[in-house]
Amino acid sequence: GNSVTQMEGPVTLSEEAFLTINCTYTATGYPSLFWYVQYPGEGLQLLLKATKADDKGSNKGFEATYRKETTSFHLEKGSVQVSDSAVYFCALRGRRALTFGSGTRLQVQP
Amino acid sequence: AAGVIQSPRHLIKEKRETATLKCYPIPRHDTVYWYQQGPGQDPQFLISFYEKMQSDKGSIPDRFSAQQFSDYHSELNMSSLELGDSALYFCASSLDQGMNTEAFFGQGTRLTVV
Repeated sequence: GNSVTQMEGPVTLSEEAFLTINCTYTATGYPSLFWYVQYPGEGLQLLLKATKADDKGSNKGFEATYRKETTSFHLEKGSVQVSDSAVYFCALRGRRALTFGSGTRLQVQP
Repeated sequence: AAGVIQSPRHLIKEKRETATLKCYPIPRHDTVYWYQQGPGQDPQFLISFYEKMQSDKGSIPDRFSAQQFSDYHSELNMSSLELGDSALYFCASSLDQGMNTEAFFGQGTRLTVV
């Protein structure tokens, strides 16, 4: 079946540091890939998505590229802010509902 | 813009009691998904509905049932509650079930079983 593997957290960075959160997946067919963000006490918000190989999703300075050859969808941001502190979930969608990774907590310190 | 509305936001129940969680999807969305997120865990898919019919089933316990009504809102019914049912329950909605379709999440109902 489908599965998503994310790097374990927490990831602790200083403000303006470069961020990478690794995500790899296993799926049959050609899934769509998503990054969701969850701020404390809130629901999941879509951060970005990519629907086919080599697509790049981007939003709020975050980027991720759908790499079919390496089955990866790593999240990157060039300069993180304190307000980016949250839990980030990588997810894929095949023929059924979303399958989530285990989440990576990001803590950005001033 | 209207979002997915879940009620109640918080619920405290005792073991062996029942609970009903409600979800009101974004207007014109025809698909609803339910997820369970335990403390520090990733959301686990429970069940989904498309056009008022169950479309997919995940790790939903037999003690739980759900349905989607004619106005597209959905209810998750949970009986014989156990301590392990304490979690954040999310509802999401989308317009159709397409693979590329974005799902919008509600803020969740936090259920605490004591």
